[in-house]
Amino acid sequence: DSGVTQTPKHLITATGQRVTLRCSPRSGDLSVYWYQQSLDQGLQFLIQYYNGEERAKGNILERFSAQQFPDLHSELNLSSLELGDSALYFCASSASGGAGTQYFGPGTRLTVL
Amino acid sequence: AQSVSQHNHHVILSEAASLELGCNYSYGGTVNLFWYVQYPGQHLQLLLKYFSGDPLVKGIKGFEAEFIKSKFSFNLRKPSVQWSDTAEYFCAVTQAAGNKLTFGGGTRVLVKP
Repeated sequence: DSGVTQTPKHLITATGQRVTLRCSPRSGDLSVYWYQQSLDQGLQFLIQYYNGEERAKGNILERFSAQQFPDLHSELNLSSLELGDSALYFCASSASGGAGTQYFGPGTRLTVL
Repeated sequence: AQSVSQHNHHVILSEAASLELGCNYSYGGTVNLFWYVQYPGQHLQLLLKYFSGDPLVKGIKGFEAEFIKSKFSFNLRKPSVQWSDTAEYFCAVTQAAGNKLTFGGGTRVLVKP
């Protein structure tokens, strides 16, 4: 158990819908990262938040957005869902905003039908 | 942009055999290197990491990796595998002062009992 929690574990929805994935970092960690794992794209970095502010952006679609709240939990919002958005979404956390070890949560498996 | 290559997509071996997984990265600057493991149905777990110092790094569960700067490589090794090592292994890189993990495509390892 890494100490990073994610809810829900599984999510099944339809195309065009909007979903919210939630992540709570390890106690004391200020950074939260979101990654997408799909069969065709592999593991890709989406976005990082540090202490409430966006720190780095990766291959995140405009239909996706994220935020980090004052209690440091983070939410990833996915809208206008397409079949290709079906994937495992992982959250990771680290103590600092820069280089450091990232600890991963169990992931949310999103299925878009 | 940095990239990570894992040359073997699938490896099948018997218990007690030795394992070596290749990882090469492309980035000219200083990097931090990681190996993560993903057991079936589970989240990513950190096996070992290299930030600086001794290029031979020992991790959990008997794994080790060697950083060879001149070859841009960070190969993972285990002298004698067990059935429980069946998993997918990911090499990942960040720039020294960076935070975005860039992952390789992963290597699925199947250990036959």
